[in-house]
Formats: sequence, C-alpha cells, structure tokens
Amino acid sequence: QEQLVESGGGVVQPGRSLRLSCAASGFTLSNYGMHWVRQAPGKGLEWVAFIWYDASNRFYADSVKGRFTISRDESKNTLYLQMNSLRAEDTALYYCARDLVEGFPYSYGMDVWGQGTTVTVSS
Amino acid sequence: QSALTQPASVSGSPGQSSTISCTGTSSDVGASNYVSWFQHHPGKAPKLVIFDVSYRPSGVSDRFSGSKSGNTASLTISGLQADDEADYYCYSYTDSNSYVFGTGTKVTVL
Repeated sequence: QEQLVESGGGVVQPGRSLRLSCAASGFTLSNYGMHWVRQAPGKGLEWVAFIWYDASNRFYADSVKGRFTISRDESKNTLYLQMNSLRAEDTALYYCARDLVEGFPYSYGMDVWGQGTTVTVSS
Repeated sequence: QSALTQPASVSGSPGQSSTISCTGTSSDVGASNYVSWFQHHPGKAPKLVIFDVSYRPSGVSDRFSGSKSGNTASLTISGLQADDEADYYCYSYTDSNSYVFGTGTKVTVL
C-alpha cells in the first residue's frame, strides 16, 4: 500500500528553522516527482515546492524561495523540507504528496498524500 | 504566482449538475494542459479527481468531468450526491516553472 507519513512539525519562534520529513512506503520515492503543499488555518491549499523524479530540478513558490529547501534521501526513501527564517505566515498544515506519473518531469497533480504535519510559528 | 480565481461557493440539489470555473492567465491555465482538480473534505487529504484538463484518475467517478477554454478551466460534477459536498481546488503549471492552486470553491449539496 502506497503511503506517505509526515513528521517534524511543531511550534517554533519566528526566525528559527525546522525540518519536515516525509517517509514513503509501498513505492520508490525517487521514481516520482514529489511536492510539499500547505494549508494555513482557514485558508486554501498553497503549493510550496516540487522536486523532479531525478532530483535534477527543484522549484519553489515565491513565498518560500530562498528560505525553504526540498530534498530527499533515496536510501531512506524520505522527502524533506528544510524551512529557515520562519515567519508567522508559514503557520500551516504541511502535506507531502506524490505526483501522478512516474518518471515525468512535469506535474499532473498529486495522487498520494500524507495526512500532514502542523507547523506553528509564534513567539 | 497569484492564486487562480474560483467562485467561493456553488450549490445544487441532489441529482443536479454543478460547474466550477477556474480563471487564470496565459502564463498559467492558458499556458499548457497541466491543469488538474482536487476534492478536499475537511480533515482529510486532498483527492485528485481530474488531471491533464479532462482525464480522470483510476477509481474516480465519471460524474466528474473537466474542460478548458483559453485561460479558464472548468470542473463539472453531474448527478450531485451528498458525498460531493467538499472544497474543490484547481491546480495549474505556470510558465515560470512553478505551480499554483486556485482559491477554492465550497460545493454545497442542498
């Protein structure tokens, strides 16, 4: 069964860092493009970052560019989101998600999602 | 990367059809066929219901259909059922090598 499980969320002060993890099971994470998507309280979905299936390209929303880094560890079949210089507006439920088509560099949308991990940025 | 524009809410009676619009620009919705739609029940993970403008993933009901004209994409739900009540989001590739969701539409089944 294909599954994603996020971890690493918590309460952090503005300006500090946090690293989210997303452990994949039932499939090989490096065969697929992978995303981070977030949803702030009472708001809609916001795309955050995307890493190509071969990790040769990574793309970011303007709101996080220069502060967040998406990466993966093939040996652990795990996706990461390193979040630096956190702001109050980064408070959200963070989902990792797998893109639909294996081995394709563009996103058709995400067909496997985790349940999310909550990040709260507050002093 | 401005969010794509969707109506805040649409409603319909059971058995009726409802259509949700998603308006973008020539830099996103109009730039490619990488347009998708997601159904999101609160407290659950989002679910992909349409990809590549009009294709349904395996297991998604054929009551869901998608289309696009210019910079506007649309999702139609036919034969509305109680379980269709959820938030719906469009999603598109942009020509700046990023992706963007719509503002979201709450579908209410009366």
